[in-house]
Amino acid sequence: AQSVTQPDIHITVSEGASLELRCNYSYGATPYLFWYVQSPGQGLQLLLKYFSGDTLVQGIKGFEAEFKRSQSSFNLRKPSVHWSDAAEYFCAVAKPIAGTALIFGKGTTLSVSS
Amino acid sequence: EAGVVQSPRYKIIEKKQPVAFWCNPISGHNTLYWYRQNLGQGPELLIRYENEEAVDDSQLPKDRFSAERLKGVDSTLKIQPAELGDSAVYLCASSLGQTATGELFFGEGSRLTVL
Repeated sequence: AQSVTQPDIHITVSEGASLELRCNYSYGATPYLFWYVQSPGQGLQLLLKYFSGDTLVQGIKGFEAEFKRSQSSFNLRKPSVHWSDAAEYFCAVAKPIAGTALIFGKGTTLSVSS
Repeated sequence: EAGVVQSPRYKIIEKKQPVAFWCNPISGHNTLYWYRQNLGQGPELLIRYENEEAVDDSQLPKDRFSAERLKGVDSTLKIQPAELGDSAVYLCASSLGQTATGELFFGEGSRLTVL
């Protein structure tokens, strides 16, 4: 069965600094990969997704993620963090078969200091 | 375009009481999901519908949980009787098509507290 690990429970980054959130997955083949963001009191919003092709994926709000098959990773990055980026971030995987559900990691809480 | 609408946003009940959550998906989305999110955890799938049919309910605790999606639009998730461990946020999501190829759109969730 597939699984997702987000090793960092909580990260604090200074405003303007770069950000990298880690995500590792376990699956026999290449799954579909997603990053979602959840702001306090709000629903989950999709930041970006990877199905195939270019391993560097661009998303909304200036985020990008890189798929590395050799490391079973799909890390999320942003070159310059804004205070409004403070939220909880979830990595998710799905089998590359239509009709399967997303499996989420436990999430990483991002705090932004001024 | 309206997003996924859930109600109530908050519910506090005593254990052994029943509770129900309602979800209205985005118009035209044939796939609907109920997830449960425990504090400090990621969402976990409870049930997935394709139109009116529940195609994946393997994680739904069927002794106390039930769900329905009449006419393939709105859905209701019920817990009866509620237990202390059911305290969580219940998230509804919808998508156009099947998960692996379509983005899931989430509602704001229904936060349940069982006392």
